[in-house]
Amino acid sequence: EPEVTQTPSHQVTQMGQEVILRCVPISNHLYFYWYRQILGQKVEFLVSFYNNEISEKSEIFDDQFSVERPDGSNFTLKIRSTKLEDSAMYFCASSSGTGYYEQYFGPGTRLTVT
Amino acid sequence: RKEVEQDPGPFNVPEGATVAFNCTYSNSASQSFFWYRQDCRKEPKLLMSVYSSGNEDGRFTAQLNRASQYISLLIRDSKLSDSATYLCVVANNYGQNFVFGPGTRLSVLP
Repeated sequence: EPEVTQTPSHQVTQMGQEVILRCVPISNHLYFYWYRQILGQKVEFLVSFYNNEISEKSEIFDDQFSVERPDGSNFTLKIRSTKLEDSAMYFCASSSGTGYYEQYFGPGTRLTVT
Repeated sequence: RKEVEQDPGPFNVPEGATVAFNCTYSNSASQSFFWYRQDCRKEPKLLMSVYSSGNEDGRFTAQLNRASQYISLLIRDSKLSDSATYLCVVANNYGQNFVFGPGTRLSVLP
């Protein structure tokens, strides 16, 4: 069964450093998303991406964040200058764009900012 | 008012019990509805989409009441493996962001 994959599984970085989180969505999917979940809190939407551009973003997704689909398979989230409060689990998701637009989530990258 | 609210939980039930989860949402224009389950420190996994007429998948039954902006999930004959946090998810338009509820934790006890 096809699945979303994410790398790395855990990233530790120092405050102020740039990080890039990588995702490979399900191959025939058209919609891509990033969410985050701070420990003990609910899952929060960051950004959606369709047809090579951002279709929607939340208030969390400020100028420190960017997304890119550099090739036909990868989808990346970049945080330019990490803050302590960026520590969270980051989930990538994808959707085929048919039916109910169900989203399928990757296993996540745990980001720890020290 | 929060966008998506759920029973606070946790629910501790014996194996074989029937358990019901409730969820309400605030945006009357919401288009699609889902239940996901999340195991500790893992990703949300799709349990079922919720259709307007209600739908059933084995031991799981989901209902939607658009007039009351209410969604429910019923689990019959609960198994130990059903222990997880159940997330109510609402999308305001197809293809757009999911709005997650805080989740209700279920522990099924032997």
